Amino acid sequence: QVQLVESGGGVVQSGRSLRLSCAASGFTFSDYGIHWVRQAPGKGLEWLAVISYHGRNTFYADSVKGRFTVSRDNSKNTLFLQMNSLRAEDTSLYYCARDRKAAVAGGYGIDVWGQGTTVTVS
Amino acid sequence: QSALTQPASVSGSPGQSITISCTGTSSDVGGYTYVSWYQQHPGKAPQLMIYEVTNRPSGVPDRFSGSKSGNTASLTISGLQAEDEADYYCCSYTTTSTWVFGGGTKVTVL
Repeated sequence: QVQLVESGGGVVQSGRSLRLSCAASGFTFSDYGIHWVRQAPGKGLEWLAVISYHGRNTFYADSVKGRFTVSRDNSKNTLFLQMNSLRAEDTSLYYCARDRKAAVAGGYGIDVWGQGTTVTVS
Repeated sequence: QSALTQPASVSGSPGQSITISCTGTSSDVGGYTYVSWYQQHPGKAPQLMIYEVTNRPSGVPDRFSGSKSGNTASLTISGLQAEDEADYYCCSYTTTSTWVFGGGTKVTVL
């Protein structure tokens, strides 16, 4: 079945880096844009970034621009989120999620979500 | 990239209709037909309920409907059921090619 599985979360000290991964299965990964969305404990959803199907287009929320980098390896059906200069306010559950389309432009909706991986910045 | 504005909570009795509003600006909600809505039950991942303002994915009950007027989008749940109790988030594409979520609305079925 269509599935996204995040990994790489954990406890990290403020100022350090962490790399999250998202493994896709059950669909043609290279056809779809993929988003990262996070949710702090007890809080709402916060959109972070999106990468287009081919990886040539990336867009970021102001809150993470310059610190986080999204990339993908279509040969391995895997998405990455490199997080640098981590802060306490980055403590969240991080979801990867599939765009309904290629994510070159337009906001067509996010139709598949992983279960998330937890990042705690101490 | 300010969050879209949603009411913190909305409640209704079973069978009633409720509407959740989502207010943005001409740079997001008002600028495109790219508003989507997500349902999230506690401890679960969000689920897409409405995309491109009015469209329902397959499997979403037709008691869920979406609309938009100007800078405000709305999600209506008709014939409210107990399983509809959840948090709901709107989301819009923006003029900077980014996305923005609303703060979320807790729906309580009385």
